Amino acid sequence: DTEVTQTPKHLVMGMTNKKSLKCEQHMGHRAMYWYKQKAKKPPELMFVYSYEKLSINESVPSRFSPECPNSSLLNLHLHALQPEDSALYLCASSQEFSRVNTEAFFGQGTRLTVV
Amino acid sequence: DAKTTQPNSMESNEEEPVHLPCNHSTISGTDYIHWYRQLPSQGPEYVIHGLTSNVNNRMASLAIAEDRKSSTLILHRATLRDAAVYYCILRDAPLGNQFYFGTGTSLTVIP
Repeated sequence: DTEVTQTPKHLVMGMTNKKSLKCEQHMGHRAMYWYKQKAKKPPELMFVYSYEKLSINESVPSRFSPECPNSSLLNLHLHALQPEDSALYLCASSQEFSRVNTEAFFGQGTRLTVV
Repeated sequence: DAKTTQPNSMESNEEEPVHLPCNHSTISGTDYIHWYRQLPSQGPEYVIHGLTSNVNNRMASLAIAEDRKSSTLILHRATLRDAAVYYCILRDAPLGNQFYFGTGTSLTVIP
């Protein structure tokens, strides 16, 4: 199984709502990532988890709260978002944080619309 | 972190080879060169990677200049399914696996 599964595929939420994005992989990978991608732009790194610990936070606003409850699961909790946060949110995983000669696997993303 | 420079867009005729260039003049000795592509409405997918030597796999070939300051992704016979944005990414062991994406090259394949 070489898949990274993201749910839901689409999400519409109001600015006062709380929602969560979920990402799952069963490849035994110990590094997991969240990216944000606006239309016609490259993905922008948000967070990196290594062995279930937050390793990198790219100065992301606190209305985005990541969580890695176990080695297979990565969540992104959303609260009080703004319309400009509407984007495609991508999850990825790779074997280990320090192994740069291996590939990463990306999910298909969650298309988020904030109204 | 070292940066990459790619043309914004390229066109190719179907069933012809495509050479996608990437400049990385500030590459360090430990940087691996990775290529990913993103088809419309999908997440990025791995294409190929290398350090110093040229590499081949079922999807593409990677040609790395001797001074490593540039590389070229080669698609041997472009198909309509190869229409995507292609990203050249440098990954450095001390910095880890952040996968910082550059602007990429949007490839159009003409039937």
